[in-house]
Amino acid sequence: KAGVTQTPRYLIKTRGQQVTLSCSPISGHRSVSWYQQTPGQGLQFLFEYFSETQRNKGNFPGRFSGRQFSNSRSEMNVSTLELGDSALYLCASSLLTAEETQYFGPGTRLLVL
Amino acid sequence: SQQGEEDPQALSIQEGENATMNCSYKTSINNLQWYRQNSGRGLVHLILIRSNEREKHSGRLRVTLDTSKKSSSLLITASRAADTASYFCATDIQAGTALIFGKGTTLSVSS
Repeated sequence: KAGVTQTPRYLIKTRGQQVTLSCSPISGHRSVSWYQQTPGQGLQFLFEYFSETQRNKGNFPGRFSGRQFSNSRSEMNVSTLELGDSALYLCASSLLTAEETQYFGPGTRLLVL
Repeated sequence: SQQGEEDPQALSIQEGENATMNCSYKTSINNLQWYRQNSGRGLVHLILIRSNEREKHSGRLRVTLDTSKKSSSLLITASRAADTASYFCATDIQAGTALIFGKGTTLSVSS
């Protein structure tokens, strides 16, 4: 079974721009979660989607949004990028719920200049 | 806010030694999980222990959970250089909620 894939792997943007990251979960997995990882804050939960609905949301500003498609693929969008948004963005999928074993993708490393 | 906090933040040992890292959390949990992350890559699931379990083994890994102390420990026996990585504990506050990760323990195993 193919693992979780994330595209792109690396991205450089400038302040004020917006960015869209994509995540394809393991086939059959319906829950997709997104995390932001930075050296200072560690791994922080962004949001979780299940059956195209946002089920849980972390404490991030509204500039961070996401969606899930009918095939369980998910995208997250960050608008009006700030320097502090530079991070590794990780996507994880699980079968049904976010508290089960999560399978992580390799991440997208975003650098905001 | 962090639910889990790992201790120590960093650990350096020689190959063949055992490595123990601890995780403390603040509120009641359903499950506690341990993950490994190699240098800037995605996380790999190691083991899940449920709140009604006290100990679990998987290969060279042994995890204990003490819900009265709100703490867990991960023991890696006979460490290898390939075990060099960051280790994170993750907890869920209640069923159906997201996982909350600690800041991790960075383990360095030298040969």
